[in-house]
Amino acid sequence: DAGITQSPRHKVTETGTPVTLRCHQTENHRYMYWYRQDPGHGLRLIHYSYGVKDTDKGEVSDGYSVSRSKTEDFLLTLESATSSQTSVYFCAIRRAGETEAFFGQGTRLTVV
Amino acid sequence: SQQGEEDPQALSIQEGENATMNCSYKTSINNLQWYRQNSGRGLVHLILIRSNEREKHSGRLRVTLDTSKKSSSLLITASRAADTASYFCATPINQGAQKLVFGQGTRLTINP
Repeated sequence: DAGITQSPRHKVTETGTPVTLRCHQTENHRYMYWYRQDPGHGLRLIHYSYGVKDTDKGEVSDGYSVSRSKTEDFLLTLESATSSQTSVYFCAIRRAGETEAFFGQGTRLTVV
Repeated sequence: SQQGEEDPQALSIQEGENATMNCSYKTSINNLQWYRQNSGRGLVHLILIRSNEREKHSGRLRVTLDTSKKSSSLLITASRAADTASYFCATPINQGAQKLVFGQGTRLTINP
């Protein structure tokens, strides 16, 4: 799995609570991505990072924030979880100058 | 709206037949990638085709790219039950090609 770990793998949380998902890599890849996957929508890009402290928004960034204080960790935070954020979240990494992305196993988040 | 749109959304064929999936995209690209996702798992990179290429082969996979029509196709020949999965096209967009945007995917079922 290209040295990429997502945690937690499963989480149930209540509406209005903050939630943080972690993506950890051991490959020293420059680029890191957070996607959400929902039926009928495929994978949609939430945020991505192109270096430490360098992040940018994707297609569906509202309600999400990210941080990357170290090369190996990319955190996704739902400031106040809503039921519409129930989804499977995938982290991906990519080496600078290369095209192939490697994916984590996903985090299934349920907001009740 | 998403950069890549796959067609069909679902495809069911008999083992041994060929499977063809199509992807259309909207903006100019320098490459297009195809990924596979087994149920409940992360995505795995299959093959990449660059904008100056028209066709590429890898084992039983054949990818074509028509930049004038902004479309690509993935052909899997002599399908096997193990090919059952979802298939996604992905395109790097924006300056520096940092964003990696996926389509909605085609769900392929191979019947024994």
